[in-house]
Amino acid sequence: QKEVEQNSGPLSVPEGAIASLNCTYSDRVSQSFFWYRQYSGKSPELIMSIYSNGDKEDGRFTAQLNKASQYVSLLIRDSQPSDSATYLCAVDFNKFYFGSGTKLNVKP
Amino acid sequence: GAVVSQHPSWVICKSGTSVKIECRSLDFQATTMFWYRQFPKQSLMLMATSNEGSKATYEQGVEKDKFLINHASLTLSTLTVTSAHPEDSSFYICSARVDRNTEAFFGQGTRLTVV
Repeated sequence: QKEVEQNSGPLSVPEGAIASLNCTYSDRVSQSFFWYRQYSGKSPELIMSIYSNGDKEDGRFTAQLNKASQYVSLLIRDSQPSDSATYLCAVDFNKFYFGSGTKLNVKP
Repeated sequence: GAVVSQHPSWVICKSGTSVKIECRSLDFQATTMFWYRQFPKQSLMLMATSNEGSKATYEQGVEKDKFLINHASLTLSTLTVTSAHPEDSSFYICSARVDRNTEAFFGQGTRLTVV
């Protein structure tokens, strides 16, 4: 499978802080990138998609894409305990491949 | 977001039997559906990509004769685990998308336990 790399964590941040999640991918031709959130025992749910270099904001979430560096990130502002989950980076290599996920813990 | 319905949500079967899992896109037509398997505390591993009306494309190491995939319509794909064994016990998840370079939406997942 194509490579999608994420730090497995856990990443611990205090409530109200900014959580920064990172992802790198191996295939330069990829055009579509996605962030999903997965709670334990549940299936993933889509947070954001990003297709162009730069930033894309949606509420407390900002996705950042740098195709030259093959890097995509997700920032979560004003983190809440309910944001505690595993965050999965997905890259469309004409198939959907996922990274191993980063576990985020937001401490009250 | 779009709704993908997966059934059953859990199933227990005896070793040697077959189990069918359904994945339906309820409010959109899915040209492509993906099937994943997830073991505890591990990431989603893509098993196969299914395009409507054509044979599924299996990932390396996935036995196509054991995991039968049928994508007969733009709203339905099925995964049949044949001659199930305890090592097939896992969380199976489908996802569906309208077209290339669009978001994929996930079903609720099926927890399979083979005893």
